[in-house]
Amino acid sequence: NAGVMQNPRHLVRRRGQEARLRCSPMKGHSHVYWYRQLPEEGLKFMVYLQKENIIDESGMPKERFSAEFPKEGPSILRIQQVVRGDSAAYFCASSPGAGGWNEQFFGPGTRLTVL
Amino acid sequence: SQELEQSPQSLIVQEGKNLTINCTSSKTLYGLYWYKQKYGEGLIFLMMLQKGGEEKSHEKITAKLDEKKQQSSLHITASQPSHAGIYLCGADKQAGTALIFGKGTTLSVSS
Repeated sequence: NAGVMQNPRHLVRRRGQEARLRCSPMKGHSHVYWYRQLPEEGLKFMVYLQKENIIDESGMPKERFSAEFPKEGPSILRIQQVVRGDSAAYFCASSPGAGGWNEQFFGPGTRLTVL
Repeated sequence: SQELEQSPQSLIVQEGKNLTINCTSSKTLYGLYWYKQKYGEGLIFLMMLQKGGEEKSHEKITAKLDEKKQQSSLHITASQPSHAGIYLCGADKQAGTALIFGKGTTLSVSS
């Protein structure tokens, strides 16, 4: 059973470009979480999605960032007009969902560098 | 807002020695999760604790959650170089919500 897949693993963008980060959850998992890890700040929650729905986006910056988890295909975290401060490691996690257990399995991350 | 404090921030131990990492919350937790991260890689799930007083072990790693469900400790017995990495505690206030994380404890094991 493959784990959580993220691609690309490394992404370099120039200021003003768009960044698209993809996450394929583990088989059978319908809940996806995106986190961002900045140096010295630790791992911070961004957005929580179920298929076709955003459940909690309280950690998402109000501008330039968006996320989706379509019925078919991976979850996408999209950053428009990237700035240097967006440089970070972005992690996706998935969980089976309902049932009381929130064990989240993490992908290897996408390391975004903004030049 | 809820925060998790981890201590120590970093730790260097000699191979074969025991060590303990602590994680403290200001509020009662629904679940407490321990992860390990190697530099530049993703998080590896270690253990989840949900009940007050619960203790779980896997190989040489033991995690405990106190009765009040506000403090957890991770204990490694007879440390090895393979234990080196960043240990993160995560917590949620209820099932199906996002996790908040401590800032991590960086463990180095010298041989």
